[in-house]
Amino acid sequence: KQEVTQIPAALSVPEGENLVLNCSFTDSAIYNLQWFRQDPGKGLTSLLLIQSSQREQTSGRLNASLDKSSGRSTLYIAASQPGDSATYLCAVMPWAGTASKLTFGTGTRLQVTL
Amino acid sequence: GAGVSQSPRYKVAKRGQDVALRCDPISGHVSLFWYQQALGQGPEFLTYFQNEAQLDKSGLPSDRFFAERPEGSVSTLKIQRTQQEDSAVYLCASSLAAGSSSAKNIQYFGAGTRLSVL
Repeated sequence: KQEVTQIPAALSVPEGENLVLNCSFTDSAIYNLQWFRQDPGKGLTSLLLIQSSQREQTSGRLNASLDKSSGRSTLYIAASQPGDSATYLCAVMPWAGTASKLTFGTGTRLQVTL
Repeated sequence: GAGVSQSPRYKVAKRGQDVALRCDPISGHVSLFWYQQALGQGPEFLTYFQNEAQLDKSGLPSDRFFAERPEGSVSTLKIQRTQQEDSAVYLCASSLAAGSSSAKNIQYFGAGTRLSVL
């Protein structure tokens, strides 16, 4: 059974810092990996999706990398801002052809302080 | 609509009461998923529909949970005889299709229904 772990569980940084969030998964047979953002009382917003054949994806100040063989992904946030405060979740999708359900980690709660 | 819509946003139920949670997916989206998110945890898969067919219900925790999507659009998750451990946020997501295209695989989530069972 796929298990997804995120470290750290919570993180507080001052505005302007660069930071890295970690995600690891036990079964390397994945189709893709996604990073989501969740704000309190709101749904999940997809930030980046990396296919299993890709090494990284970038969107603005966000960069996600994937090392499938070692079962790891990182989300790099450059020049953090208070508006980045949220819970960040990573999720893996098994090979296409299954129910395409996502397996999520427990999330990293990020707080960016002024 | 422009996004996935869920109703109600909040539901308080007495233990033993039946509840029904509604999900309106993005128009034209073939795939629909239900997830359960307990406090401080990541979402966990409950069930999956492709059009009106429920292809995977392996995540439903008990036979008190039932989901349907009779016309391949709106879906309802029903919980019978609610118990305190059912308290969670129930998230619905839809995607254009399940297949090899990465763009079609992206799941769009609703804001969820927060269920509190007293």
